[in-house]
Amino acid sequence: AQKVTQAQTEISVVEKEDVTLDCVYETRDTTYYLFWYKQPPSGELVFLIRRNSFDEQNEISGRYSWNFQKSTSSFNFTITASQVVDSAVYFCALTNNFGNEKLTFGTGTRLTIIP
Amino acid sequence: EAGVTQFPSHSVIEKGQTVTLRCDPISGHDNLYWYRRVMGKEIKFLLHFVKESKQDESGMPNNRFLAERTGGTYSTLKVQPAELEDSGVYFCASSQAGTPWETQYFGPGTRLLVL
Repeated sequence: AQKVTQAQTEISVVEKEDVTLDCVYETRDTTYYLFWYKQPPSGELVFLIRRNSFDEQNEISGRYSWNFQKSTSSFNFTITASQVVDSAVYFCALTNNFGNEKLTFGTGTRLTIIP
Repeated sequence: EAGVTQFPSHSVIEKGQTVTLRCDPISGHDNLYWYRRVMGKEIKFLLHFVKESKQDESGMPNNRFLAERTGGTYSTLKVQPAELEDSGVYFCASSQAGTPWETQYFGPGTRLLVL
């Protein structure tokens, strides 16, 4: 069985602050894939990033960065210099490599950026 | 390119009634997934179509739920009769190849409220 835990239910920060969203996963598989999705107020889930278990390089995309650490089974997401448009619910998710394409999601973290 | 669309965006029905949700995947995507989020909980997998065939329906909660994908294009998810615990947001996603590492693209969801 696999599991994704997002312990932070809600986070509020003042605009321009940095914020990190935590994601801890459990899986018995050696090959797996991690994802982050953003759900803005409009409701759709917007894909942000995908990582495979063999690539532990951190990734940066503009103000967004991701820290993947297999040793702690974590795939944390940091927003630098947060903006009001970053306000959304963020979901971390996992798939494995054994013909199991279904995503296992965490419960999500609601991020509110205060102007 | 049009994204995944879902109809209706909201539905309010009474317990015992029937509701049918529709999902139109991205054109050319053979793989279609249904997920559901009950309030405050994680997004959970319901089932996976490859073209018109059900590849995995392990997440379907019970036989009150019936999913179809005639012709391998759009899909419907019928709940009959609806119960209070069926309330939640129903998401549809699609992908081209259906592999674990491929991104699933989500629609905006249908918010179902059963009274």
